[in-house]
Amino acid sequence: SQTIHQWPATLVQPVGSPLSLECTVEGTSNPNLYWYRQAAGRGLQLLFYSVGIGQISSEVPQNLSASRPQDRQFILSSKKLLLSDSGFYLCAWRKREMNTGELFFGEGSRLTVL
Amino acid sequence: LAKTTQPISMDSYEGQEVNITCSHNNIATNDYITWYQQFPSQGPRFIIQGYKTKVTNEVASLFIPADRKSSTLSLPRVSLSDTAVYYCLVGEPNQAGTALIFGKGTTLSVSS
Repeated sequence: SQTIHQWPATLVQPVGSPLSLECTVEGTSNPNLYWYRQAAGRGLQLLFYSVGIGQISSEVPQNLSASRPQDRQFILSSKKLLLSDSGFYLCAWRKREMNTGELFFGEGSRLTVL
Repeated sequence: LAKTTQPISMDSYEGQEVNITCSHNNIATNDYITWYQQFPSQGPRFIIQGYKTKVTNEVASLFIPADRKSSTLSLPRVSLSDTAVYYCLVGEPNQAGTALIFGKGTTLSVSS
């Protein structure tokens, strides 16, 4: 069966510090991968998605970046965090070969920038 | 970007049927429409998915008209535990693949 894990689950970072959130998927190959963010009391905002190794599409210009160094690994990074980066970050995957909207989400990473 | 529109909030009582409609004008020909449920501090959970006409599973029904520019999620006999945010998700054509954009969500509040 397929599983998705992301970490860390919770982190508190000062403004201007770097960030690295990691997500890995097991039990499948060539998945489409996604990073979403949810600010407090808000909806889900798509940040990045990837259809393959090294292929990253950005939906919203900001100080975040994403990388996909391996087929089932997706990393969200920032060189300098802003207060507005606080939120609940969710990684997700879906089967590439089907045009379905069924996404499988990780447990989420809650980031607080102080 | 495709634009989806949902009501911001809805109120209901236990035992009633709830219908939430989502408008999506730029849906891709081969893409599906999917609905999710989200509780606080959790990732969204898949509810139902469809391409056209009507789909039913053990928890909900999904109605999609022929032009596929909208869809309606129907929750029969809601309970207090159905209080959550409901998102409509549609695929978008894109050169690099298909980006999946969530609507802004509908907050459903169920009272006794």
